[in-house]
Amino acid sequence: KNQVEQSPQSLIILEGKNCTLQCNYTVSPFSNLRWYKQDTGRGPVSLTIMTFSENTKSNGRYTATLDADTKQSSLHITASQLSDSASYICVVRLPGNTPLVFGKGTRLSVIA
Amino acid sequence: NAGVTQTPKFQVLKTGQSMTLQCAQDMNHEYMSWYRQDPGMGLRLIHYSVGAGITDQGEVPNGYNVSRSTTEDFPLRLLSAAPSQTSVYFCASSRDRERNTIYFGEGSWLTVV
Repeated sequence: KNQVEQSPQSLIILEGKNCTLQCNYTVSPFSNLRWYKQDTGRGPVSLTIMTFSENTKSNGRYTATLDADTKQSSLHITASQLSDSASYICVVRLPGNTPLVFGKGTRLSVIA
Repeated sequence: NAGVTQTPKFQVLKTGQSMTLQCAQDMNHEYMSWYRQDPGMGLRLIHYSVGAGITDQGEVPNGYNVSRSTTEDFPLRLLSAAPSQTSVYFCASSRDRERNTIYFGEGSWLTVV
């Protein structure tokens, strides 16, 4: 079982609408949780980084939340734009000398 | 400021051939790493380096070599390419391993036939 599970696998929304992407993780404790945006054919770009003690972090129209009790994080996108069409990847940093744990991503398509 | 630069963007290899994927960063980052991204899977760490002269294995190191002779450069060598190494490869760098933002290159698409 993946240590970082993302849902939904894919999502289609109309331009201007809001959406929320989910990330459930089983790893604990962790150092930080990150959200990345990956456009098709490009490398991932960092959106937010949250430590386990932070509940929310914003980056423009992107807001990430973290609930350490339920081991859930969400990424909320407000007033979506066509350029938001991308894969969004949840990543957990474990303590110590261990690799980052990447989710498989949610593929978001924003249509006009 | 170019960030993380990878070359080549696309490459087709025959089974058994060797090649080197180049990676350079101009942000004076100590930590550099190589990942592969396969359909339906999250990114997986191949090798990483915490500074010049220091490298270590990640999750999927077999069939790959790295070296770090300078802070800027971190090439990935495929010793004898196999079809299982068909993938998209990303180089990444960050100021440190723990808290700082990780910057990824644009990717190298490799097909082994």
